[in-house]
Amino acid sequence: DAGVIQSPRHEVTEMGQEVTLRCKPISGHNSLFWYRQTMMRGLELLIYFNNNVPIDDSGMPEDRFSAKMPNASFSTLKIQPSEPRDSAVYFCASSLGILRETQYFGPGTRLLVL
Amino acid sequence: AQKVTQAQTEISVVEKEDVTLDCVYETRDTTYYLFWYKQPPSGELVFLIRRNSFDEQNEISGRYSWNFQKSTSSFNFTITASQVVDSAVYFCALSEEGNQFYFGTGTSLTVIP
Repeated sequence: DAGVIQSPRHEVTEMGQEVTLRCKPISGHNSLFWYRQTMMRGLELLIYFNNNVPIDDSGMPEDRFSAKMPNASFSTLKIQPSEPRDSAVYFCASSLGILRETQYFGPGTRLLVL
Repeated sequence: AQKVTQAQTEISVVEKEDVTLDCVYETRDTTYYLFWYKQPPSGELVFLIRRNSFDEQNEISGRYSWNFQKSTSSFNFTITASQVVDSAVYFCALSEEGNQFYFGTGTSLTVIP
């Protein structure tokens, strides 16, 4: 079975540019999570969806970040405009059910904003 | 306050030694789940184990074993006869009501050949 798929795996962009990260959750999973990992802050939950509906976006750092889940098999995380401090690894994870289920992570997108 | 504490930031062991990674958690819920994930140098996060709060039996999977003690709010992870491939960052996580995970800050394990 395919795991969580993320694209691109690596992204290098210049400050001010729009960045779009993509995620395809495991088929049948109805919860999807976006995390950011940095050396300074570790793993941070940005936002999560259940049945395509955003449940908690309190971790989204500021208005430059937005996330959508138009259907059960696709989600995007957009940064506009990007800044150097957004450089991090962004992970998408999915889980079956909403209560205390195992989250399965994608390979991550390594973002570098110059 | 940290929900999940992994006090060991970095550990180095020589191959074939046993090593225990500590995890202490904090919760007021009676029903919760604990997890361990491995992050090898390649960067992905790999699920290792999930344990619910009502099951205090120790678990063994090959060279890996987990010791869950509610009395001390700990969920420690032991690797027996460590190998170089075990070198990774290991994260402990807690899930209470709802679906949010609380991750520890991770323990970086280096196994020296």
